[in-house]
Amino acid sequence: QQQVKQSPQSLIVQKGGISIINCAYENTAFDYFPWYQQFPGKGPALLIAIRPDVSEKKEGRFTISFNKSAKQFSLHIMDSQPGDSATYFCAASSLGRDDKIIFGKGTRLHILP
Amino acid sequence: DVKVTQSSRYLVKRTGEKVFLECVQDMDHENMFWYRQDPGLGLRLIYFSYDVKMKEKGDIPEGYSVSREKKERFSLILESASTNQTSMYLCASSFISSPLHFGNGTRLTVT
Repeated sequence: QQQVKQSPQSLIVQKGGISIINCAYENTAFDYFPWYQQFPGKGPALLIAIRPDVSEKKEGRFTISFNKSAKQFSLHIMDSQPGDSATYFCAASSLGRDDKIIFGKGTRLHILP
Repeated sequence: DVKVTQSSRYLVKRTGEKVFLECVQDMDHENMFWYRQDPGLGLRLIYFSYDVKMKEKGDIPEGYSVSREKKERFSLILESASTNQTSMYLCASSFISSPLHFGNGTRLTVT
């Protein structure tokens, strides 16, 4: 019940295409869903986050779609660029319980130039 | 900008050695964390701390200990390093209920 399942494990997308990474969770107590982006040689950094009171959040080319009833959320990267090549982690937690943030296993995204 | 600094980028240690990984943050964050990152396994929490001299076990604490004597500094200790502790170690810090800020990691190899 504590897992966050992330897919795919790796993804190759042509430049200009749409990259889609999916995550699913079981614990209905989760109320905060961040995505972290990690470039080679760097630590993960917060990219975008959503709370379950909205179904979508957009920041530039990055959009989180959230389906509360299905307990699924996804990251869409529009007009994907080679600079987006990185590892992406979805995560889930209950606000106020930083020790209980659960990460997905990550998706290695490669954008072909 | 928040800075989380891990003292070493790469470390090579021998089996049985005592290993110290150091982490310092400059934003007066209450929370500090140590994660381990392995391919296909994602990020796994080893230990975390909500305050000075306070520590709590994460999901994989076996073989590790921690020390937090000052608010800005959180150390991970491998009492007797083993080859299965070869990994990337990531330190993070945060305010309560705010995003994690990660350091750039220490890649530890135990031979």
